[in-house]
Amino acid sequence: KNQVEQSPQSLIILEGKNCTLQCNYTVSPFSNLRWYKQDTGRGPVSLTIMTFSENTKSNGRYTATLDADTKQSSLHITASQLSDSASYICVVRGGYNFNKFYFGSGTKLNVKP
Amino acid sequence: SAVISQKPSRDICQRGTSLTIQCQVDSQVTMMFWYRQQPGQSLTLIATANQGSEATYESGFVIDKFPISRPNLTFSTLTVSNMSPEDSSIYLCSVEGRRTGELFFGEGSRLTVL
Repeated sequence: KNQVEQSPQSLIILEGKNCTLQCNYTVSPFSNLRWYKQDTGRGPVSLTIMTFSENTKSNGRYTATLDADTKQSSLHITASQLSDSASYICVVRGGYNFNKFYFGSGTKLNVKP
Repeated sequence: SAVISQKPSRDICQRGTSLTIQCQVDSQVTMMFWYRQQPGQSLTLIATANQGSEATYESGFVIDKFPISRPNLTFSTLTVSNMSPEDSSIYLCSVEGRRTGELFFGEGSRLTVL
């Protein structure tokens, strides 16, 4: 069964600290993996995309990794800011015809001053 | 990128009534989707809105409850029919970027059913 699992479910960190969010998936065949940020009351916005051949990709203070062999991805946030407080959703594209999007349940990050 | 406008942004409705949510995209797109996000949860695909033909519904969602229209490549509507409190949720319109395959989302329509 094609699934995407994220951990932790929620996380509280102090401003300025780093954190890492995890995403494990069983989607096959695999096309790509995106991390989305969803601020409260807003729609999700893409942070980064990882394809099969990519191991690491950065977008400012966000760094995503992908291990296609173990089917794991992580999102590392460096020097967190209050504005990083949001839900982070891992979305894997793949399955039959590589045409379906599979959503993780998200990690709710709360950055405290 | 695609800019998506959804309305209403929020509404409070009475049990048994119906509400239609509109989604307008600033460019022509092939793939348009409707998602539901229940409180504290991630997104669940309701259906794919197909231009010129009936929408394709996911398991657990039916046309009688969630009729969808897609009259052209830039517009779609989702109706939540005969609402109950269990329909209280955020409903999101999404399109697939033609060049990148990225999903772009509207701001969502927060629906509360009393």
